[in-house]
Amino acid sequence: GAVVSQHPSRVICKSGTSVKIECRSLDFQATTMFWYRQFPKQSLMLMATSNEGSKATYEQGVEKDKFLINHASLTLSTLTVTSAHPEDSSFYICSARRQGFDGYTFGSGTRLTVV
Amino acid sequence: QKEVEQNSGPLSVPEGAIASLNCTYSDRGSQSFFWYRQYSGKSPELIMFIYSNGDKEDGRFTAQLNKASQYVSLLIRDSQPSDSATYLCAVGLNSGNTPLVFGKGTRLSVIA
Repeated sequence: GAVVSQHPSRVICKSGTSVKIECRSLDFQATTMFWYRQFPKQSLMLMATSNEGSKATYEQGVEKDKFLINHASLTLSTLTVTSAHPEDSSFYICSARRQGFDGYTFGSGTRLTVV
Repeated sequence: QKEVEQNSGPLSVPEGAIASLNCTYSDRGSQSFFWYRQYSGKSPELIMFIYSNGDKEDGRFTAQLNKASQYVSLLIRDSQPSDSATYLCAVGLNSGNTPLVFGKGTRLSVIA
């Protein structure tokens, strides 16, 4: 299969603090991972494409200094939400595609609540 | 700009009926087409993919692709209450380094 693990599943943090979300490909190597955000009753919005060993590519309107992405190995990408504010509260989901495997696999998602 | 359009629904069908979900896309260069199911509060799970024109069947699910019309559909036969979810149409290239473009999803409700 192609399993993507995401941690934590839920996090509550205080406004102004930073939160790190991890995304791991468990049984394959992923040179590229994708980070999405989903607000209630809305569709997935691509935030950035994470590339192993190089800088992430951010979508228009996504603040790269606020959403730090690090893809330091072939199995791990991290998203750090810096100086979080209540409007950053959302469902964050990572995704990757295993070569030769049909379809993109999603992590289980992280529900971030900023209070 | 690449776009994927879906009717947001809700689409309500009685248990045992056929549910028909539709999707159109704007990029004629698209090569791969996916249907994901997403339950409330969960991440999407892949249920079908199709690359070539025509029909593809997998159990109760049939995906249909018409590249000339830039149209993808998903049929769910013998719909069950457990099929109630949001169905996301996604379109992309065959390269694993490019992200999928998602539609906004169609909410399906199967009434027992």
